[in-house]
Amino acid sequence: DGGITQSPKYLFRKEGQNVTLSCEQNLNHDAMYWYRQDPGQGLRLIYYSQIVNDFQKGDIAEGYSVSREKKESFPLTVTSAQKNPTAFYLCASGQGPSTDTQYFGPGTRLTVL
Amino acid sequence: GENVEQHPSTLSVQEGDSAVIKCTYSDSASNYFPWYKQELGKRPQLIIDIRSNVGEKKDQRIAVTLNKTAKHFSLHITETQPEDSAVYFCAASLQGAQKLVFGQGTRLTINP
Repeated sequence: DGGITQSPKYLFRKEGQNVTLSCEQNLNHDAMYWYRQDPGQGLRLIYYSQIVNDFQKGDIAEGYSVSREKKESFPLTVTSAQKNPTAFYLCASGQGPSTDTQYFGPGTRLTVL
Repeated sequence: GENVEQHPSTLSVQEGDSAVIKCTYSDSASNYFPWYKQELGKRPQLIIDIRSNVGEKKDQRIAVTLNKTAKHFSLHITETQPEDSAVYFCAASLQGAQKLVFGQGTRLTINP
């Protein structure tokens, strides 16, 4: 999982602003995922993409948007429509249909001021 | 859809003792069950996984058992050490669906 990077590590945002979180992988994985983690809770799926130029909503997609223009990149935009965006955001990647194993990036901690 | 329940939410054991964390899943078609360890502020790290064609898998002090009939699987850590202190997550998925459903996590504390 050292091949998955996320930036920035910490991000501060004012209310009403959109912000984009970066996720890059050099593992040649087909699938990429975004999760949200709140304190003391599990991981909830926001969006996922199995191939370039295609993505699906997860369980909590409202207020978020993604793009998958390149295989190695899957940026997440947290929009002003997300009512409670303060959380730890984790990106993951996986090899695709032959295996469900996912490997995580180091995460971005977003705080809304 | 799939639902995964994890118990207990917190677990405290003496160093050297064993720890067991249990998960149940709802979708009998699920066939892949990974376990992740997450240290404070860090990324979840895959520590062991099992597929439905296997009943048990072991890797040094860590083992996972799967009971497909009862739809539950467990993580066993033997000879616990202070560095085992972390939050552990179980997950389940249907192979090919490429979606993991996670349990709520167990905070394991190893007391010296």
